[in-house]
Amino acid sequence: EAGVVQSPRYKIIEKKQPVAFWCNPISGHNTLYWYLQNLGQGPELLIRYENEEAVDDSQLPKDRFSAERLKGVDSTLKIQPAELGDSAVYLCASSSDRHTEAFFGQGTRLTVV
Amino acid sequence: KNEVEQSPQNLTAQEGEFITINCSYSVGISALHWLQQHPGGGIVSLFMLSSGKKKHGRLIATINIQEKHSSLHITASHPRDSAVYICAVKASGSRLTFGEGTQLTVNP
Repeated sequence: EAGVVQSPRYKIIEKKQPVAFWCNPISGHNTLYWYLQNLGQGPELLIRYENEEAVDDSQLPKDRFSAERLKGVDSTLKIQPAELGDSAVYLCASSSDRHTEAFFGQGTRLTVV
Repeated sequence: KNEVEQSPQNLTAQEGEFITINCSYSVGISALHWLQQHPGGGIVSLFMLSSGKKKHGRLIATINIQEKHSSLHITASHPRDSAVYICAVKASGSRLTFGEGTQLTVNP
């Protein structure tokens, strides 16, 4: 079974430009997470979806970040406009309602120059 | 004070040594995860624990719910074990709270 798939793996953009990340969770997983991980630190939750509903987005900087999960499957995370401080790894994870274990994607490493 | 604290932050060992990484947490949890992250790579789940002890190959994870403490042990360590090991706890709902990770380097 395929795991959590994220794309792109790497992205380099100039500041003030928009960027989008895509996540395809494991089939059947209702819960989807987006995390931000700065170098040398643990991941921090940005947003959590239960199906298509964003149930925890308190840590999402809503002035520039947005996310959607249409039809409760794939999800996109967007930053517009990107700032230098947004350089980090953006991780997507999913879990099933029946199990508590979360499975992670490979992440997208964003560099803003 | 972070809800999840790991120690040590950095650990260097010689190949073959027995390694222990510790995780303490301050909230009630339904599960605790040990995760492995290689440079430039994604996160791989090693264990999910809610009680007792689990073993997979050279890796052993234990948890003491009363003391709010978990340990990850690596026996006969190898250079390929070099990675960041992250402890994460699942408290209320589905939110995972992560420790800052332990950078392990195993030298040949």
